[in-house]
Formats: sequence, structure tokens, C-alpha cells
Amino acid sequence: EAGVVQSPRYKIIEKKQPVAFWCNPISGHNTLYWYLQNLGQGPELLIRYENEEAVDDSQLPKDRFSAERLKGVDSTLKIQPAELGDSAVYLCASSPRTGANTEAFFGQGTRLTVV
Amino acid sequence: KQEVTQIPAALSVPEGENLVLNCSFTDSAIYNLQWFRQDPGKGLTSLLLIQSSQREQTSGRLNASLDKSSGRSTLYIAASQPGDSATYLCACYTGNQFYFGTGTSLTVIP
Repeated sequence: EAGVVQSPRYKIIEKKQPVAFWCNPISGHNTLYWYLQNLGQGPELLIRYENEEAVDDSQLPKDRFSAERLKGVDSTLKIQPAELGDSAVYLCASSPRTGANTEAFFGQGTRLTVV
Repeated sequence: KQEVTQIPAALSVPEGENLVLNCSFTDSAIYNLQWFRQDPGKGLTSLLLIQSSQREQTSGRLNASLDKSSGRSTLYIAASQPGDSATYLCACYTGNQFYFGTGTSLTVIP
């Protein structure tokens, strides 16, 4: 079974430029998460999807960040324009169900460097 | 909001030692707790998941315990090996999202 696939693995951009990250979750997983991980910190939720619906985007900086999950499968996270403080690892995760057995499966992440 | 704390932040042990990593959380209303491993520059690999009704889970040299009432979990690693060197993160699942600690960076010295 293929895991969560993210691309690109690394991205270096100049500030004020746009950037996009792509995530393909595990087949059949209805829930998709985008997490932000700063250096030396634990991941923090940006947005959660149930199928194609964003059910929790309260921590997404909507002035510059946007996300979509068309058809409830793969997802794209966009930043426009990027700022120096956006340099971090962006992690995508998916899970198959809700409840006591809910387990998160993570991709390799995209490491963004804004210069 | 759930707050998750991991102590110590860093740990260095000689090969072969047994060790314990600690995780504490403020809200006991969790569905489960998951332990992850993260190698430098990589994503998170799931190690163990303990449901809220369970007390412990074991996988190979790893044993995780959960005391939901006191808001604590421990990850026990037996006979540590240099390949165990990584950052270990715990995460509490509340039914909506996973709340992570800041991790414990483990170094096992050959």
C-alpha cells in the first residue's frame, strides 16, 4: 500500500513569491490534514478536510494561505505571497476513520525555505 | 486547548541501555495517543497507538503506557541501539485533530 505522497520534498523561493505544495493521501482515507512544523517544534494543524470539505481551518492564515481538496482525494496548499517566517516543514497526513482507532499516517513533508 | 509536553527535550544514552520517554497532556478527553519517530529531514513514522481504554501497547523493543486520568504516557525502549537515534513525538487525538508535543531528541552512543 502506498503511503502519503507529498511533493516537492524541498522548495527554495524568494520572499513575496507564491508557492504550492501537493499531497496525495492513502487511498480510501477520508480525512486529510495539513500540519506546519517549525524547527525544534511539534507539528501544528493548519487545516483538516473531511472528504472535500474543510471542517477546521481556524489556524490557517487566510490572508496568505489557501488550500483545496477537489474531489476529496489529493490536496494542494498554497502560500501567496511567501514571507521569511513561512520557512518550515509542511506535513500532510491522512486517516481512514474517526474514533478510538484513528491513526495518522504522514508524508515525508515539504521543507520550504524563503530567502 | 490540549497542551502536550514532552520531557526531556534531549537525551543521550550509551548503547544497550533501557530508557523512558515521557509525555503529559492537559485534557484527558482523548480518543487515543500515538507515538511517532522522526528522523532528520523526514516525516513522521507511527510507532505505537494506544486507545483511551487501553493501558499499554507493545511492539518489539518498544512499550508504551497510558494513564489517561493523570494525563501521562511513557515510551519505554529496551536495549537501545544507535539506530534508535531520532526525535520521538507523542500526539493526542481528540476526535478532531492530533495535538503534538515538541518531541524528545534521542541519541544512542555506540
